[in-house]
Amino acid sequence: TQLLEQSPQFLSIQEGENLTVYCNSSSVFSSLQWYRQEPGEGPVLLVTVVTGGEVKKLKRLTFQFGDARKDSSLHITAAQPGDTGLYLCAGARGGATNKLIFGTGTLLAVQP
Amino acid sequence: ETGVTQTPRHLVMGMTNKKSLKCEQHLGHNAMYWYKQSAKKPLELMFVYSLEERVENNSVPSRFSPECPNSSHLFLHLHTLQPEDSALYLCASSWTSANEKLFFGSGTQLSVL
Repeated sequence: TQLLEQSPQFLSIQEGENLTVYCNSSSVFSSLQWYRQEPGEGPVLLVTVVTGGEVKKLKRLTFQFGDARKDSSLHITAAQPGDTGLYLCAGARGGATNKLIFGTGTLLAVQP
Repeated sequence: ETGVTQTPRHLVMGMTNKKSLKCEQHLGHNAMYWYKQSAKKPLELMFVYSLEERVENNSVPSRFSPECPNSSHLFLHLHTLQPEDSALYLCASSWTSANEKLFFGSGTQLSVL
């Protein structure tokens, strides 16, 4: 069974701090997506990384796909209260259905 | 507004009730999905529909019955549920069933008493 482990599970930080969230697996993925889910809402796609070693930036968020395409990280610089939410990674298997495997999630709370 | 609308937002039902969850997407997508989100568990894929045909049923109990009358609408019919079925049920859509980008609705928070 494929499993995407995210760490940490919970993170509570002060506004302005930096943080990194990790998404790890023993399996190779054709691509990896990161979603953010705010309370009372569904997940919203932030980014898709496809190439091993790829780095993508979205304002204060930096996403990296591992060289072996088994892991990924999300780094947030100078966190804001608006960054609060559940961060989910999802790995795609490729092939006809390109099935997505979701990670266990990291719940981030940024205190003002 | 993600273009995927789910109703109701909240639902409380007894174990003998029959209810339905509704999802509508306004994005012109061809694939629609039902996911279950429980506390401390990864999102679980339940069903996938592509062009109104079910292409995946992820070993979901028969007390959950999906229906896709057209590519814009998806229902999840519920009957004789168990308390452990209490969860957030999320609908999503994408251009194809290849899961390249999922657009989620806000979900229905279901409580089974």
